[in-house]
Amino acid sequence: DAKTTQPPSMDCAEGRAANLPCNHSTISGNEYVYWYRQIHSQGPQYIIHGLKNNETNEMASLIITEDRKSSTLILPHATLRDTAVYYCIVRADNAGNMLTFGGGTRLMVKP
Amino acid sequence: GAVVSQHPSRVICKSGTSVKIECRSLDFQATTMFWYRQFPKQSLMLMATSNEGSKATYEQGVEKDKFLINHASLTLSTLTVTSAHPEDSSFYICSARDPGRAKPEQYFGPGTRLTVT
Repeated sequence: DAKTTQPPSMDCAEGRAANLPCNHSTISGNEYVYWYRQIHSQGPQYIIHGLKNNETNEMASLIITEDRKSSTLILPHATLRDTAVYYCIVRADNAGNMLTFGGGTRLMVKP
Repeated sequence: GAVVSQHPSRVICKSGTSVKIECRSLDFQATTMFWYRQFPKQSLMLMATSNEGSKATYEQGVEKDKFLINHASLTLSTLTVTSAHPEDSSFYICSARDPGRAKPEQYFGPGTRLTVT
C-alpha cells in the first residue's frame, strides 16, 4: 500500500470547516483513498473513501487532486465531537481488507 | 451500519496469567476479522488476520504462541494473550468487513484495554 503523509496535529474553531490534508504521492492507479477517525479510547470509524472523483456523504467531503497525489478531507461545520485522530489510508480495494494505519492527524476542535 | 462488539472493554490481570478477548460481529457474518494493538499515543498496528475455520495469519514480529487466535464461528473471533506481561498492556481492537454490503469499509469494535500488573 502507498505511504501517506499527514500533519501530526491541527486546530479548528467550532462551527468552522476543518480541512485535513493528506499526501500520497506514490499512489497507484488501483488504490483508493480512505479516511477513518478515532475518537479517544474508541475503535476507528469509517468516514469516506474515493478513487479519483470528489466524494461527499453525511459526514464529510473528500477532495482528490487531479494527479491523485494528495487529498483533503473536509468537515464542513466542525463540532467539539469531531475532536479525534484522523487517518488517511491508501489501499487497493482487493488488498485483503486489512488497513495499514499511519500516524494520522490529531484534530482539536476548540469552542 | 454494521456493529462489532468486544468483550471485555477493560481487563486487569496479573503477570503470568492468560486473558481472553472476544470480538463479535452482531448483525453480519465475517469470514475474516482483524486484530490490532495500539500503545498509548501511537497508531494502530495490525497483529493478525483471523480466518474462520482455519489458522490465523500473524504479522511479522507477533508471536503466534503468545497471542492465540480462534475464529470458531462466522460471528466470533477470540484473542487470548497467554502468560501476559506488563509490556502486553495495550488497547486491543478488532475489525471486520460486512461482505453483504457493497461498501468496503471496515467496522471496528470499541476496543479492549488490557492492563497487566
